[in-house]
Amino acid sequence: QEQLVQSGAGVKKPGASVTVSCTASGYIFSTYYLHWVRQAPGQGLEWLGAIDPSDGATYYAQNFQGRVTMTRDTLTSTVYMDLSSLTSDDTAVYYCAREPRSTSYFDTWGQGIQVTVSS
Amino acid sequence: QSALTQPASLSGSPGQSITISCTGTISDVGGYNLVSWYQQYPGNAPKVMIYEVNKRPSGVSNRFSGSKSGNTASMTISGLQAEDEADYYCCSYASGVTYVFGTGTKVTVL
Repeated sequence: QEQLVQSGAGVKKPGASVTVSCTASGYIFSTYYLHWVRQAPGQGLEWLGAIDPSDGATYYAQNFQGRVTMTRDTLTSTVYMDLSSLTSDDTAVYYCAREPRSTSYFDTWGQGIQVTVSS
Repeated sequence: QSALTQPASLSGSPGQSITISCTGTISDVGGYNLVSWYQQYPGNAPKVMIYEVNKRPSGVSNRFSGSKSGNTASMTISGLQAEDEADYYCCSYASGVTYVFGTGTKVTVL
């Protein structure tokens, strides 16, 4: 079945960087955009950005410009989200989510990965 | 980009209808027919319920419907059921190839 499986993260110290991966399966990797969304404890959803797996083009939320980097590996159908200069405000569950091209909604989500920033 | 505004909580009795509003600006909700709605149970990933303002993905109950007027989108849940108790978020495409989520609404079935 079509699915996104996430891995990585854990506990990071303030000022460090974190990498979360999202591996797609069950569909053609290049035919859907992949987005990253996070949710802080007890809070709402926040969009971080997106990547087009077909050419690597990226689109970042203004709040994360300069601090987030999204890349992809077409051989393993995996996208990566790197977030640097972590603070406690970055403690959240990070989700990847798939967007059917030219539709602007997210039809499939990863299971989510907890990132905790603590000294 | 500021979060779209939703009521923090709504409640209704089984069988009733409730409508969740989602207010943005001309740069997001009002400028595009690209509003989607997500249902989220605690500890789970969100699930799309409505996309492109009023379209339902396959498998989503027809008790869920969407609409938009000006800068405000809405999702109505008809015939409220216990299983509808969850958090709901709207999301809109915004100018500059960005997306913005709503503040979220906790729906309680009395």
